[in-house]
Amino acid sequence: EIVLTQSPATLSLSPGERAILSCRASQSVSNYFAWYQQKPGQAPRLLIYDVSNRATGIPARFSGSGSGTDFTLTISSLEPEDFAVYYCQQRGNWPPTFGPGTKVDLK
Amino acid sequence: EVQLVESGGILVQPGGSLRLSCAASGFTFITYAMNWVRQAPGKGLEWVSAISGGGRSTYYADFVKGRFTISRDNSKNTLYLQMSSLRAEDTAVYYCAKARDVTYFDYWGQGTLVTVSS
Repeated sequence: EIVLTQSPATLSLSPGERAILSCRASQSVSNYFAWYQQKPGQAPRLLIYDVSNRATGIPARFSGSGSGTDFTLTISSLEPEDFAVYYCQQRGNWPPTFGPGTKVDLK
Repeated sequence: EVQLVESGGILVQPGGSLRLSCAASGFTFITYAMNWVRQAPGKGLEWVSAISGGGRSTYYADFVKGRFTISRDNSKNTLYLQMSSLRAEDTAVYYCAKARDVTYFDYWGQGTLVTVSS
């Protein structure tokens, strides 16, 4: 099973700042990699799939990059609604697995 | 608009059984694989099971294999998860999720809470 490690665990930032979230896989997952956002009391929302493709309705300030074992989610300029927990997920190896999450909170 | 509405979560004793349902609308249900993903209180996300659009192929996480059964009724646009031999560690919010490319999850329900406790 692929283990995903996210860093940092918590990222404290202010609106308008850039957020850079990282996720490392225990072995290569090729480009089968996604990012989700979850707000308290809500279901997760797909942001990015196949490393860099934005899901339907996702603003352009969200972008993904990486390959193999190292991946990054960048939020170019944080909006108030972006403070949430972000999970990475791989489907390159069975079973699909998620990272433990990075919480982006208000500084 | 895609909508997924789960139901069936309750408090159940260890060793008990339960069936979750997920009513889908807003898309051609038979065309898409569907999944169950769970989240223990205060914890992260954990994939549980998947089923192909036609229902012939099913997949399970090792920790539920032999205890949970995923199924679907395409005439009713409904996904199911039959859960048996429940353990305390199965306590979680269970989400149904529409698949994009089988195991990306592009739409989620609001979740249903299963609590396993005596």
